[in-house]
Amino acid sequence: DVKVTQSSRYLVKRTGEKVFLECVQDMDHENMFWYRQDPGLGLRLIYFSYDVKMKEKGDIPEGYSVSREKKERFSLILESASTNQTSMYLCASSLPGAETQYFGPGTRLLVL
Amino acid sequence: GEDVEQSLFLSVREGDSSVINCTYTDSSSTYLYWYKQEPGAGLQLLTYIFSNMDMKQDQRLTVLLNKKDKHLSLRIADTQTGDSAIYFCAESKAGRRALTFGSGTRLQVQP
Repeated sequence: DVKVTQSSRYLVKRTGEKVFLECVQDMDHENMFWYRQDPGLGLRLIYFSYDVKMKEKGDIPEGYSVSREKKERFSLILESASTNQTSMYLCASSLPGAETQYFGPGTRLLVL
Repeated sequence: GEDVEQSLFLSVREGDSSVINCTYTDSSSTYLYWYKQEPGAGLQLLTYIFSNMDMKQDQRLTVLLNKKDKHLSLRIADTQTGDSAIYFCAESKAGRRALTFGSGTRLQVQP
């Protein structure tokens, strides 16, 4: 079974803090994704990566950056957290050319 | 308008069938997916259908695809309380690696 893990289930941070969300997958998938989930809006793509050190902006990249130094790990960085970044963050991975994505359990972030 | 649309809420009684509907706008969609999210959890892939199919059945789940109307539905037979969750419809599009998700339908199953 594919396993996607996220470093924290819940995080509370203050406005202006730098925040790191980590995601690790164990199935050697090339593609990795970061989404945020908000009520009534579904999942919106923030960034994705199709290989080590390769990344592309998704639909809502503003205020976020990412890092992919190793194939199994994809980090989402909030350079200066703001209250409108309070959300559920979901990581996913997939094989190249395979549309099926496998999701981690999510990190619920609260920015005060 | 939104690429993928779903109604936000559905309530059914235990033992009844549930039908969750989804409409999409892109005729080039290759696969269409149904994901389930239980409270406090990530998304779990339930089933998917290739765009050249019109029906797929998997135990209690039946997926119907009407390409002409760009309409996808998920039918859950004999709905149980454990089926209470948010169900997301998603589509994959040619040339786009990520999926496009609907807003999710919250299914409430009453005993």
